[in-house]
Amino acid sequence: GAVVSQHPSWVICKSGTSVKIECRSLDFQATTMFWYRQFPKQSLMLMATSNEGSKATYEQGVEKDKFLINHASLTLSTLTVTSAHPEDSSFYICSASLGYSNQPQHFGDGTRLSIL
Amino acid sequence: DAKTTQPTSMDCAEGRAANLPCNHSTISGNEYVYWYRQIHSQGPQYIIHGLKNNETNEMASLIITEDRKSSTLILPHATLRDTAVYYCIVLIMIYNQGGKLIFGQGTELSVKP
Repeated sequence: GAVVSQHPSWVICKSGTSVKIECRSLDFQATTMFWYRQFPKQSLMLMATSNEGSKATYEQGVEKDKFLINHASLTLSTLTVTSAHPEDSSFYICSASLGYSNQPQHFGDGTRLSIL
Repeated sequence: DAKTTQPTSMDCAEGRAANLPCNHSTISGNEYVYWYRQIHSQGPQYIIHGLKNNETNEMASLIITEDRKSSTLILPHATLRDTAVYYCIVLIMIYNQGGKLIFGQGTELSVKP
C-alpha cells in the first residue's frame, strides 16, 4: 500500500514554456502533499506544503508565482513550473501523507526536468 | 527545529549488518525520528520511524537511546541493493499542515561484495 505516482517521469522542453507535474496518491487519501527539488549530488530541498482545498505554504526563498501548486482533491496535487528557464532544470519529487506525526510520507519516483 | 548529524559515508560488507548512527540531541519529547533511503535517481523510500521505543519491521530495526538524543538504523543482512543514501530526519509538526521532513546530507552507504 501507500503508493504515490508522479507523472511525467522525464520532460525536456524549451526555455519559456510552462511544465505541469502531477502527483497522485493511488491507494490512500492524502490530506497533505509536499513538493521537493533536488539538484545533482545534493539533498532534497522542501519547496512547499500543500493541503487539499487550501493554498500551498511555500518555504522561504521559493517563488510562489514561479512554482504554482494546486491540490484540488485528496489524491492529486500538481506543480506547474511557469516560464521555465535552464536554471529550473532539476529533479522534482512529491510526497503524500495522511498528515499525522506517526504516519510516514510516501514519495513518488520524481520528475526529471530539463530546460533547453 | 531538531537537526540531525550523520556520518557522510560508510562501507559495509555484503551479508553483514549495517549500523547507521544518527545524532539528534535537540529533539523534543513528541518528535518522531524517521529514516528514509534514496537510491540513485529515485524518490526516497520510507524505512522505519519511532518515538521512544525500539522498532523493527521487515526492512530494518531502529534503536533509540533512552535519552532520545541518538538512534541507530540497523540493516541486519546488507545486500548490494541496500547501497543508497540514508537519511535520518526528525519530523517537524506544523499546525494544520502535518509533518515536514527537512532532509540533511544523509549517509552514503556502500555495500561491497
